[in-house]
Amino acid sequence: GDSVTQMEGPVTLSEEAFLTINCTYTATGYPSLFWYVQYPGEGLQLLLKATKADDKGSNKGFEATYRKETTSFHLEKGSVQVSDSAVYFCALRVSNTGRRALTFGSGTRLQVQP
Amino acid sequence: EAQVTQNPRYLITVTGKKLTVTCSQNMNHEYMSWYRQDPGLGLRQIYYSMNVEVTDKGDVPEGYKVSRKEKRNFPLILESPSPNQTSLYFCASSIRTGGAGTGELFFGEGSRLTVL
Repeated sequence: GDSVTQMEGPVTLSEEAFLTINCTYTATGYPSLFWYVQYPGEGLQLLLKATKADDKGSNKGFEATYRKETTSFHLEKGSVQVSDSAVYFCALRVSNTGRRALTFGSGTRLQVQP
Repeated sequence: EAQVTQNPRYLITVTGKKLTVTCSQNMNHEYMSWYRQDPGLGLRQIYYSMNVEVTDKGDVPEGYKVSRKEKRNFPLILESPSPNQTSLYFCASSIRTGGAGTGELFFGEGSRLTVL
């Protein structure tokens, strides 16, 4: 079945450090890939997405490139801020399933220290 | 403001006492879904609904019921809660699009349920 594997956290960085959160997936068919972010006490929000191979999603300084050959969708940011502290979820959806469900990874907590 | 609203946000209850978590969205979305979030497991889908009066099981439906009598509301019902249903629950909705179905899921703020 479909699955998403994320690096375990927490990831602790100093402000202005470079961030990478690894995400790899297994899917039947051709998935769309997503990164969602969950700030403390809030629901998940879509951060960025990519719908086909080699697409790059970007938002708020975060980027991720859909790599079909390595089945990966790693999240990167060049310079993190304290306000980026949150839990990040990688997710996929295979377009030909009626459920329209997202399959989520287990989440990676990011802590950014001033 | 476009939003998904869940109530209650926090609830402590006892085994066997029926409870309902309400979910309402104001975006005229056709698709709605319930997820539970547990440490180390990410989010898992409980039930979903493609439209009014159309519901179906997700990955972990045991012990839950849902209904979709109106487009905006999608309550989650625990008829006889048990401690293994202690979790953080999220309702989500999206506009139904054809083709690749890349529509964004909008999430509520979550309902933290503790079953003693």
